[in-house]
Amino acid sequence: DAGVTQSPTHLIKTRGQQVTLRCSPKSGHDTVSWYQQALGQGPQFIFQYYEEEERQRGNFPDRFSGHQFPNYSSELNVNALLLGDSALYLCASSLGQGILDEQYFGPGTRLTVT
Amino acid sequence: KQEVTQIPAALSVPEGENLVLNCSFTDSAIYNLQWFRQDPGKGLTSLLLIQSSQREQTSGRLNASLDKSSGRSTLYIAASQPGDSATYLCAVRGGTYKYIFGTGTRLKVLA
Repeated sequence: DAGVTQSPTHLIKTRGQQVTLRCSPKSGHDTVSWYQQALGQGPQFIFQYYEEEERQRGNFPDRFSGHQFPNYSSELNVNALLLGDSALYLCASSLGQGILDEQYFGPGTRLTVT
Repeated sequence: KQEVTQIPAALSVPEGENLVLNCSFTDSAIYNLQWFRQDPGKGLTSLLLIQSSQREQTSGRLNASLDKSSGRSTLYIAASQPGDSATYLCAVRGGTYKYIFGTGTRLKVLA
């Protein structure tokens, strides 16, 4: 049973560039959430996708956008990168309508903005 | 606004010791609480999920309790081992879909 997968593992970008991160949820899951984790901090919620729609959003600017595909995989796009966007980006999957919405996380994508 | 605090921020114990990690939250109207483990530079591994109607959950040497009225959860680790060294995070979900995380407790178990 494949768990949550993310690609790429590491990424180095320059300020002002754009980046796309990818996530495939755990088999059987239909909901994907994205989190940003700065060094030494807990993850911060960016947004959640369910049924190909953004269901909820955290306190992140519009530079952060996403998409969910019919196979439930998801992309996180960040435009006009800032140095402060350097972080570990985590994807979590869960069942959207279940009571037991335990979240399963992927290994993350380490983004470095120079 | 929900805030989650974990104390202590770091903990170092000798192997074999039983230990307790604490998590407190400001809004008791939570849907569930989840404990995670994170190794350096890695993703999060789910340890235990406690629904709001439950008082505790157990998995192997781990036991998590939840007291909604006081806004507290504890993670008890029995007979700690060097392999338990990691950062432990708790996260709460309220009436929305997002989880609010604490900043974690960095645990080091000395052989």
